[in-house]
Amino acid sequence: GQNIDQPTEMTATEGAIVQINCTYQTSGFNGLFWYQQHAGEAPTFLSYNVLDGLEEKGRFSSFLSRSKGYSYLLLKELQMKDSASYLCAVMDSNYQLIWGAGTKLIIKP
Amino acid sequence: NAGVTQTPKFRVLKTGQSMTLLCAQDMNHEYMYWYRQDPGMGLRLIHYSVGEGTTAKGEVPDGYNVSRLKKQNFLLGLESAAPSQTSVYFCATLPGTSVAETQYFGPGTRLLVL
Repeated sequence: GQNIDQPTEMTATEGAIVQINCTYQTSGFNGLFWYQQHAGEAPTFLSYNVLDGLEEKGRFSSFLSRSKGYSYLLLKELQMKDSASYLCAVMDSNYQLIWGAGTKLIIKP
Repeated sequence: NAGVTQTPKFRVLKTGQSMTLLCAQDMNHEYMYWYRQDPGMGLRLIHYSVGEGTTAKGEVPDGYNVSRLKKQNFLLGLESAAPSQTSVYFCATLPGTSVAETQYFGPGTRLLVL
């Protein structure tokens, strides 16, 4: 079956760095997405990886290793507004997104 | 340019009642999706459409029907609502098979079935 795993919850301190991991097993691979979702809101796009390596976008970076079925989202210089759920999703061979359950990130002052 | 809109934003139904959720987009996107999101679970795909007049089943299609008569609209119907269908429903769109694109999400519809 298809499966996306990510930690349920993480806690970090304002100004610090946090890494959220995602492992996946899917039928085919057409890219991996990271989304941010604040409570009560719709998910918003953060990053897309289809080739191995690191993609950097401001304070956020995303890494992909296709051979290991592994990705991480790295958030630097954490701010209180970064408190949210972070969703990992993989697009399979049918162009459907398979979603992880999300990681709730709690930022403490 | 409104992007993706969903109607209604919130609804309370009694078991056995029917309703239709409307998703509308003004971006001329080919692909449209209906998801449900429940606490502690990832977004689960109910049905999707790859173009006007076409629909396909997703991961959890039972109890739902869909129609895509016009490219800009994707309707999700519940013929006989059940408490298990209490959830937040999100509509999303994609331009097409250019997979580097992000999915664009509507604001969600919160449905409570009593």
